[in-house]
Amino acid sequence: AQTVTQSQPEMSVQEAETVTLSCTYDTSESDYYLFWYKQPPSRQMILVIRQEAYKQQNATENRFSVNFQKAAKSFSLKISDSQLGDAAMYFCAYPTGANSKLTFGKGITLSVRP
Amino acid sequence: DVKVTQSSRYLVKRTGEKVFLECVQDMDHENMFWYRQDPGLGLRLIYFSYDVKMKEKGDIPEGYSVSREKKERFSLILESASTNQTSMYLCASSLWLMNTEAFFGQGTRLTVV
Repeated sequence: AQTVTQSQPEMSVQEAETVTLSCTYDTSESDYYLFWYKQPPSRQMILVIRQEAYKQQNATENRFSVNFQKAAKSFSLKISDSQLGDAAMYFCAYPTGANSKLTFGKGITLSVRP
Repeated sequence: DVKVTQSSRYLVKRTGEKVFLECVQDMDHENMFWYRQDPGLGLRLIYFSYDVKMKEKGDIPEGYSVSREKKERFSLILESASTNQTSMYLCASSLWLMNTEAFFGQGTRLTVV
């Protein structure tokens, strides 16, 4: 079975500092995509960043970047210059199967200290 | 902007009632999903539909059914609501391609009393 594991339920970071959220996954596929989603307290989930497995280069979106280690099946999200608005739950996700069914990890609650 | 709209933000139902949760998307997406979100358990997939009238069970389908008669609408049905179905329900839609993001509704907080 394909799974996504987020082992840290909560993390905290000081405003303006950098934090890394961990995710590991298990798959037998050779090409796939990985996603990080953010769910702010208002609840609507939004996409933060995506990574294609066959690309060597780690994805970057402004202050958000990925550390993708394909051999280790690790997909970490790094948030630089943390802001109060980054406080949210973050989910790692992985689409599986011919119809791209999305599987999520359990999520990490990130708090940002002013 | 893509919109995924869930019919209710908050819902209170009695044990044994039949409950319908409705979800509509406006971007002609093939895929639609119903997830349940509980503290410490993350998002768990209840049902998934990849086309009109096509559905696939997710990880926790027991006690639920779904209906997709039109491409834009995906309904989750609790045939006989029970207290252990009290939860946050999230609907999402996406294109069938693996590289595309899923768009989510605001969620429905269902309480069964």
